[in-house]
Amino acid sequence: ETGVTQSPTHLIKTRGQQVTLRCSSQSGHNTVSWYQQALGQGPQFIFQYYREEENGRGNFPPRFSGLQFPNYSSELNVNALELDDSALYLCASSPRALGGGAKNIQYFGAGTRLSVL
Amino acid sequence: AQTVTQSQPEMSVQEAETVTLSCTYDTSENNYYLFWYKQPPSRQMILVIRQEAYKQQNATENRFSVNFQKAAKSFSLKISDSQLGDTAMYFCAFMTFGNTPLVFGKGTRLSVIA
Repeated sequence: ETGVTQSPTHLIKTRGQQVTLRCSSQSGHNTVSWYQQALGQGPQFIFQYYREEENGRGNFPPRFSGLQFPNYSSELNVNALELDDSALYLCASSPRALGGGAKNIQYFGAGTRLSVL
Repeated sequence: AQTVTQSQPEMSVQEAETVTLSCTYDTSENNYYLFWYKQPPSRQMILVIRQEAYKQQNATENRFSVNFQKAAKSFSLKISDSQLGDTAMYFCAFMTFGNTPLVFGKGTRLSVIA
């Protein structure tokens, strides 16, 4: 167990809807990263939040947005869902932000599987 | 941009035997970190082992060891005395020294057979 929890575990939405996924980071970690893992692929970096600010973003459109709260928990919001958004969404917490130094290990949650119909 | 390639989509091994998973990567950086993560059916990505590129000595963690060849940009994972609980997807991942996001390969599905 990594101490990173995600909810819900599974979600079904229809095209055009909006979804919010949640993540609680490991105790003592102030940084949360989100990854999208399509079926049969490795995870792809969406963005990272550090001290409530976005601190780096991958190649994802603006309809993917996030929040980080003072307790370092985080939300991933996706608007105008598309069929290709169907994937496992992984949250990872770490003790340092991007550029914050060496040995910054990321600890993952079990993910939220999103199905868009 | 960094890329990570895992050329073995699936592998199988008999219980108690040894298996090696391959990973190659491409980067122009000199300082970086390499990781192997395990993702069992429970979906949680678990860190198996990590290697710092500036260290020549190969990392080991109990039954898991790596063969890091920096010049060849190769980073293979050896699992000794395979156990049924080792059945999972294994992902090779890369991070630069400046702590950039993890870049993952497509994974290798390992099945340990009794």
